[in-house]
Amino acid sequence: DIQLTQSPSFLSASVGDTVTISCRASEVSKSYVAWYQLASGEAPKLLIYATYILASGAPSRFSGTASGTDFTLTINSLQPEDSASYYCQVLNSFPNNFGQGTRLEIK
Amino acid sequence: EVLLEESGGGVLQPGKSVRLSCSASGFNFGEHLMHWVRQIPGKGLQWVSGISWNGRKKEYVESVKGRFTVSRDNAKNSLFLDMTDLKTEDTAIYYCVKPLGIMGGAYDHWGQGTLVSVSS
Repeated sequence: DIQLTQSPSFLSASVGDTVTISCRASEVSKSYVAWYQLASGEAPKLLIYATYILASGAPSRFSGTASGTDFTLTINSLQPEDSASYYCQVLNSFPNNFGQGTRLEIK
Repeated sequence: EVLLEESGGGVLQPGKSVRLSCSASGFNFGEHLMHWVRQIPGKGLQWVSGISWNGRKKEYVESVKGRFTVSRDNAKNSLFLDMTDLKTEDTAIYYCVKPLGIMGGAYDHWGQGTLVSVSS
């Protein structure tokens, strides 16, 4: 199984800030990672897939990058509606494990 | 428009059983691999199970193997999760999920979820 270690677990930032959330995979292999947003009371929404590709309907301020086994979600110009939890997920093989999640608070 | 609608959740005692159902529309359900994912209170998201388009290949997270069974009825565009010997740690919102591609990939459509609460 490929495990994902996500950090930080909590993040507090202001409107207009840029934040990054990291996910480290346990194996050095070609991993495909997706990122999701989970807002309170809503179903999760796909933000990024195949590590870099912006999902349909996701705002362009979200972007994904990777270096080796380290994957990063960057949110530019934070908006109040970005207050949510964010999860990475590996999709190479079963189980499709998720990271532990990052709760983002907008000050 | 892709729609996924779960049903069947409720409050159950440990050791009991329940069947979750998912009604799908707006895409070629019979061609798609499908998944169940749960949101555990205070603990995040966990992939639970996946089933191939024809139902022949099934995968489960280790903690539910031998207790949960995934199945589908392509004629009725429906996905099921039979949950037996329920444990308190199965308490979660259960989502029916469609991946981007017919063979898998990121999860681009989620249902609204159905809550399963296991408590004595």
